[in-house]
Amino acid sequence: GEDVEQSLFLSVREGDSSVINCTYTDSSSTYLYWYKQEPGAGLQLLTYIFSNMDMKQDQRLTVLLNKKDKHLSLRIADTQTGDSAIYFCAAAPDSSASKIIFGSGTRLSIRP
Amino acid sequence: NAGVTQTPKFRILKIGQSMTLQCTQDMNHNYMYWYRQDPGMGLKLIYYSVGAGITDKGEVPNGYNVSRSTTEDFPLRLELAAPSQTSVYFCASSPQGRTGELFFGEGSRLTVL
Repeated sequence: GEDVEQSLFLSVREGDSSVINCTYTDSSSTYLYWYKQEPGAGLQLLTYIFSNMDMKQDQRLTVLLNKKDKHLSLRIADTQTGDSAIYFCAAAPDSSASKIIFGSGTRLSIRP
Repeated sequence: NAGVTQTPKFRILKIGQSMTLQCTQDMNHNYMYWYRQDPGMGLKLIYYSVGAGITDKGEVPNGYNVSRSTTEDFPLRLELAAPSQTSVYFCASSPQGRTGELFFGEGSRLTVL
């Protein structure tokens, strides 16, 4: 089955760019997601990308997809203290949310 | 909009006790889900429902039961609680035919001692 891997921690300086990386194993994954979890809260969808896209940009967020390497990344430009959270990568073969497989999350901490 | 509401937010159970985690959503979503989140792990799907009266097992259903008598409510029952069920539980919902976006509740932290 699908396996989604992420590094557990990332620390960046305020104002720098953050890049969170993710790899997945199932080449049939069509829907790829980034969710954000703030302390004490549930996950919230940040952005998603379809497998027929290489890049998606949404304000400070840029998602890059390398299908050949099964590698997904999330870049946050001009990182702010409010970006401190856990970021989950997730993958699914179709739009059925019941098939979404989540990574273990990357905790992003911002230092002044 | 309230979105997805879970109760209780915190609960401590003794081994062997039973309890129900409540989940309700006001977005008229057909699909609802229960996940558990263990430290350093991704979310694991326990049960899900594609509509009232229909439920199905996820990846880790053992020790749990669900029911879906209305579109709004999807309670999760723990029978004979065990320490391995200590976790944070999230309820989520999603609209049908969309991109698979999940809308999450704030979570219920359960400790079994």
